[in-house]
Amino acid sequence: EIVLTQSPGTLSLSPGESATLSCWASQTVGSSFLAWYQQKPGQAPRLLIFGAFSRATGTPDRFSGSGSGTDFTLTISRLEPEDFAVYYCQQYRDSPRTFGQGTKVELK
Amino acid sequence: EVQLVQSGAEVKKPGESLNISCEGVGQSFSKYWIGWVRQTPGKGLEWMGIIYFGGSATIYSPSFEGQVTISADKSINTAYLQWSSLKASDTAMYYCVRPMTRPGIYSAYSDWGQGTLVTVSS
Repeated sequence: EIVLTQSPGTLSLSPGESATLSCWASQTVGSSFLAWYQQKPGQAPRLLIFGAFSRATGTPDRFSGSGSGTDFTLTISRLEPEDFAVYYCQQYRDSPRTFGQGTKVELK
Repeated sequence: EVQLVQSGAEVKKPGESLNISCEGVGQSFSKYWIGWVRQTPGKGLEWMGIIYFGGSATIYSPSFEGQVTISADKSINTAYLQWSSLKASDTAMYYCVRPMTRPGIYSAYSDWGQGTLVTVSS
């Protein structure tokens, strides 16, 4: 199975700063089969990015995804208070689908 | 817009059976692959498997094959996740998911249920 490793585990930032989250895959995921989700406490995950860089409906343009193959990045420019949450990457190229372990973006 | 409405929290004893459900409200699940995802503090998000509402095919993660059964009742637009003999290690939050495109076997999950918390304890 494809193992996804996210880095860092925790990012401590202030509102207005930028966040860069990484996701590495143990095998190529191609360029179309990588998603990013946001999860807040007590809520289900919410799809932010699909196909590595396409924003899902309702995703603000301060969220951007990039990468292909085995290296992917989620960038949040100008953090807003509602962006402090846990972020997961997911590959949907191979079965079983797999998720990264998550990066927590917390208030500094 | 579809809403995935899951059944309520469950508290069970080891060895008991359980069936939790996920109903699609507002849109049909027809010809979608509907899935289940487990979340625990220790292992994070784990994809369990998917079922095709256009037929009867199911695909399980090797980690969950033989441990659970995914089924569907197309007439009431509802997917199920079943255990015949629960273990303490099944304690988790379980989410049903619908892909953003149809049939969605190679698609991200745009729709998630609210989650069903299953607690297994003696």
